Amino acid sequence: AQSVTQLGSHVSVSEGALVLLRCNYSSSVPPYLFWYVQYPNQGLQLLLKYTTGATLVKGINGFEAEFKKSETSFHLTKPSAHMSDAAEYFCAVSGSNTGKLIFGQGTTLQVKP
Amino acid sequence: EPEVTQTPSHQVTQMGQEVILRCVPISNHLYFYWYRQILGQKVEFLVSFYNNEISEKSEIFDDQFSVERPDGSNFTLKIRSTKLEDSAMYFCASRARGGNQPQHFGDGTRLSIL
Repeated sequence: AQSVTQLGSHVSVSEGALVLLRCNYSSSVPPYLFWYVQYPNQGLQLLLKYTTGATLVKGINGFEAEFKKSETSFHLTKPSAHMSDAAEYFCAVSGSNTGKLIFGQGTTLQVKP
Repeated sequence: EPEVTQTPSHQVTQMGQEVILRCVPISNHLYFYWYRQILGQKVEFLVSFYNNEISEKSEIFDDQFSVERPDGSNFTLKIRSTKLEDSAMYFCASRARGGNQPQHFGDGTRLSIL
């Protein structure tokens, strides 16, 4: 069985500060890992994904994440937060034949001016 | 960029009534999914669909739920007799062939059961 845990349901940072959103996963098979962002009244937009290869992956809007197998983690970072980054962020894992996604609880990112 | 579209954006229905949520996946995608998000909770997998049949379903997807791809473009989720607890945001997603391909999501349908 697969599962995802996102530590911290709410994270608040100042504009220009480092963003760190934590995600730990559990998977019995090599996982595919994803981060999605959800803006109010919108669907889920893919930020980045890890499938195989380089463990540091870069995504849209300056975000990146590092896959650490030994720590079963896939934390999302951005060096400098922007007001427009305020949204809900979801980490997800996929590993079944059907490709279904298992989501974490989500983290609401607040960016203060 | 091609996108997944869902209609309606908001559906209000009386308990016990049937409801059909519609989705138009990205045209060259082969795998289709429905998820739901109850207010304040995480996004939950409902069902996956490939080659005109259900490939996997969750415990939530009981006999009251069904999916269909009636033509080459639409993908629908039907709830036969809605309950109050069916109130949620329902998301459709699709992806291309290849397990490493990401799923693309629609903007969702907010279903409110009265």
